[in-house]
Amino acid sequence: GQNIDQPTEMTATEGAIVQINCTYQTSGFNGLFWYQQHAGEAPTFLSYNVLDGLEEKGRFSSFLSRSKGYSYLLLKELQMKDSASYLCAVVTPNQAGTALIFGKGTTLSVSS
Amino acid sequence: DSGVTQTPKHLITATGQRVTLRCSPRSGDLSVYWYQQSLDQGLQFLIQYYNGEERAKGNILERFSAQQFPDLHSELNLSSLELGDSALYFCASSDTTDTQYFGPGTRLTVL
Repeated sequence: GQNIDQPTEMTATEGAIVQINCTYQTSGFNGLFWYQQHAGEAPTFLSYNVLDGLEEKGRFSSFLSRSKGYSYLLLKELQMKDSASYLCAVVTPNQAGTALIFGKGTTLSVSS
Repeated sequence: DSGVTQTPKHLITATGQRVTLRCSPRSGDLSVYWYQQSLDQGLQFLIQYYNGEERAKGNILERFSAQQFPDLHSELNLSSLELGDSALYFCASSDTTDTQYFGPGTRLTVL
């Protein structure tokens, strides 16, 4: 089966650093995405990891360990606008195409 | 703005009815994906089309169907609607990479 786990909720304060973890067990793995989603809006692309290691992009970094089925998203210098849901998604082969299997998301609340 | 457009933005209908949701992918993208997002289930993959052909299928109900037209826009048809079909429906598109860009969604309410 397909299983992607991430914490349901996290809280942090402005200026802090937060790490959102994601573990996965899927039939097939072609890569892992992190998306940000504000309530009622579309998910927006944050990062994509295919190989093990750390990918850094501004205030956001994402790490992947394929052998451990584990990823994390690191957000630095938190701002109020970072309050959102963060979705971990695994790319899996599906018939002749691919499908994104999403975790249920981690709701991050940033306070001042 | 991702470049993916969806219409309508909101849709309210009654049980038993049929609706059609429309999606236009980003310019040049050949792949279109449909997702359903409900409060308790999160984002669920429904189906993928590539250049007019079905490529991948998730847990899409038999009451639901989709197609992609020669101009690459896609439609998701939902029939015999039930209360539980109320959800946000997202379309996403991608080019030759795996990165999917999501449209703003259609909020479907079944009364």
